[in-house]
Amino acid sequence: EVQLLESGGGLAQPGGSMRLSCVASGFTFRSYAMSWVRQAPGKGLEWVSLISGTGGDTYYADFVQGRFTISRDNSKNTLSLQMDSLRAEDTAVYYCTRGGLSWGFDNWGQGTLVTVSS
Amino acid sequence: QTVVTQEPSFSVSPGGTVTLTCGLSSGSVSTNYYPSWYQQTPGQAPRTLIHSTNTRSSGVPDRFSGSILGNKAALTITGAQADDESDYYCVLYMNSGISVFGGGTKLTVL
Repeated sequence: EVQLLESGGGLAQPGGSMRLSCVASGFTFRSYAMSWVRQAPGKGLEWVSLISGTGGDTYYADFVQGRFTISRDNSKNTLSLQMDSLRAEDTAVYYCTRGGLSWGFDNWGQGTLVTVSS
Repeated sequence: QTVVTQEPSFSVSPGGTVTLTCGLSSGSVSTNYYPSWYQQTPGQAPRTLIHSTNTRSSGVPDRFSGSILGNKAALTITGAQADDESDYYCVLYMNSGISVFGGGTKLTVL
């Protein structure tokens, strides 16, 4: 069974940083692209970032480009999202997902809440 | 900037059929965008229903089907049930690793 377990959410100040992690199990982690998708309170889903299976290719939504960095450690089956220069509008539940290429997002974690507020 | 459009809300009677659509602010949706569909109930993570236009994910009942209708992607639910009442999101894959979500459709079953 595929499992994705996020951690690292919490309260951050505007301009601050936070690092999210997602530990994957139940599949060959290195064989899959992975993505982060977020959902602001009461709003819709937004794709944030994608990383290829090898980690050699990364992609970002315009609204996080230059502030967020996606990475992975295939030896630890772990996906990460380093979030810098946080803004109030980054407040959201962040979901770790498997996929994000042409086959869509086929498995989702339960999400971790990030709140950016002073 | 690419905008993916969905009906903000829709209602269907129990046992009825409803088709939700997913379009582009400019241009037509084709299979080349590999449309996918997700169901989300309040407080829960999304559930994947359909990928690559019309391929159902594991465990998804065949009441849910995907297609291209005219210039839009479509999700059709036949024999609607009370627990189909959810938010439904489509995603279009823009290639180069970028995906765009639609704004979601809130489906009411009444």
